[in-house]
Amino acid sequence: DIQMTQSPSSLSASVGDRVTITCQASQDISDYLNWYQHKPGKAPKLLIYDASNLETGVPSRFSGSGSGTYFTFTISSLQPEDIATYYCQQYDNLRLTFGGGTKVEIK
Amino acid sequence: EVQLVESGGGLVQPGRSLRLSCAASGFTFDVYAMHWVRQAPGKGLEWVSGISWNSDNIAYADSVKGRFTISRDNAKNSLYLQMNSLRAEDMALYYCAKDAQGEQSFFDYWGQGTLVTVSS
Repeated sequence: DIQMTQSPSSLSASVGDRVTITCQASQDISDYLNWYQHKPGKAPKLLIYDASNLETGVPSRFSGSGSGTYFTFTISSLQPEDIATYYCQQYDNLRLTFGGGTKVEIK
Repeated sequence: EVQLVESGGGLVQPGRSLRLSCAASGFTFDVYAMHWVRQAPGKGLEWVSGISWNSDNIAYADSVKGRFTISRDNAKNSLYLQMNSLRAEDMALYYCAKDAQGEQSFFDYWGQGTLVTVSS
């Protein structure tokens, strides 16, 4: 299986800060990489698909980049409503895998 | 409006079986792949299994392979997960998720989940 290593596992930042999360794949996955936001008690929400495409309706402060084995997810200006756990997910083959998650908190 | 409603969760003893269902509406069910994703207490998201639009391609996580079986009934707009030989580590909130494509890719809609508790 393709392993997805996500870092950091948690972070604390101030409102307005730029936040960056990384995800590294154990092998080349091209741009088959997606990012989700998960808030407690809610269903996960797709934010970015195919590494850099913003899902319809998602605020433009969220962005993604990368290809191959190294990917980044950025919140350009952290807002209070962005408190959540964020996950990367690959689909290079039929056996999909998630990263371990990054819990984002407000400082 | 896309809706995914899971059912079938509950308390089950280790070694026993449970069948989860997901009723889909608001989209053309037989065009899209579907998945089960779970979250154990205090843990992250784990993809469990996926099935292509026509059931030709099915895949499982290693943790459930040989014990769980995914299936779908396109005539009933329903997705299923037969879970056998349940273990304590299978205890989780199980989400039904719609794929954005006909083959496995990413999840654009999710249900609210059904809770599976494995305990004697």
